[in-house]
Amino acid sequence: LAKTTQPISMDSYEGQEVNITCSHNNIATNDYITWYQQFPSQGPRFIIQGYKTKVTNEVASLFIPADRKSSTLSLPRVSLSDTAVYYCLVGVTYSGGYQKVTFGIGTKLQVIP
Amino acid sequence: SQTIHQWPATLVQPVGSPLSLECTVEGTSNPNLYWYRQAAGRGLQLLFYSVGIGQISSEVPQNLSASRPQDRQFILSSKKLLLSDSGFYLCAWSGTSGGGYEQYFGPGTRLTVT
Repeated sequence: LAKTTQPISMDSYEGQEVNITCSHNNIATNDYITWYQQFPSQGPRFIIQGYKTKVTNEVASLFIPADRKSSTLSLPRVSLSDTAVYYCLVGVTYSGGYQKVTFGIGTKLQVIP
Repeated sequence: SQTIHQWPATLVQPVGSPLSLECTVEGTSNPNLYWYRQAAGRGLQLLFYSVGIGQISSEVPQNLSASRPQDRQFILSSKKLLLSDSGFYLCAWSGTSGGGYEQYFGPGTRLTVT
């Protein structure tokens, strides 16, 4: 499994755009990149997933350069409710959909009013 | 829509006692199922995964076991709990076709071993 490295913590003011970068130098050809959000005492919640270039949904954007050795989660105009831990995962989806991934300690985002 | 249930929500057990945590999924068939453990301030550790009834794979050696007696039921057990078994236990499921196979997590069980 590819190891991921992301900042342990980040602070941002309300209304700003937040970019969290994850490094995954050993990413394999078949690996997808997935981001999750976790609030205290809750299970992680899927945010976005991508393989290359750019993916956007109603919550966030994911930017993946051509070499795929890093990825950046972009949260537009954060609010206090975005204060959470964000996990970057890299893993292979096997036949049948089983995905073997590793959750690190994530990035603790603190949004300041 | 799909939902995932876990119970109990919290549990306090003495060292050496048995454990049984249950997870059920509704609204989907033949899901992949996962058990994770999260120690305080740490990331999630994958304990077991299952791709079908009776098919269990263990990721780390420990005194825990898992079973999948029905398609949408996943059980985590222990015969004798250790202090180090304390943590937040999360069950998750993912689909098997037609998507990115992202995982959906249950509400979790907070286990304290005393």
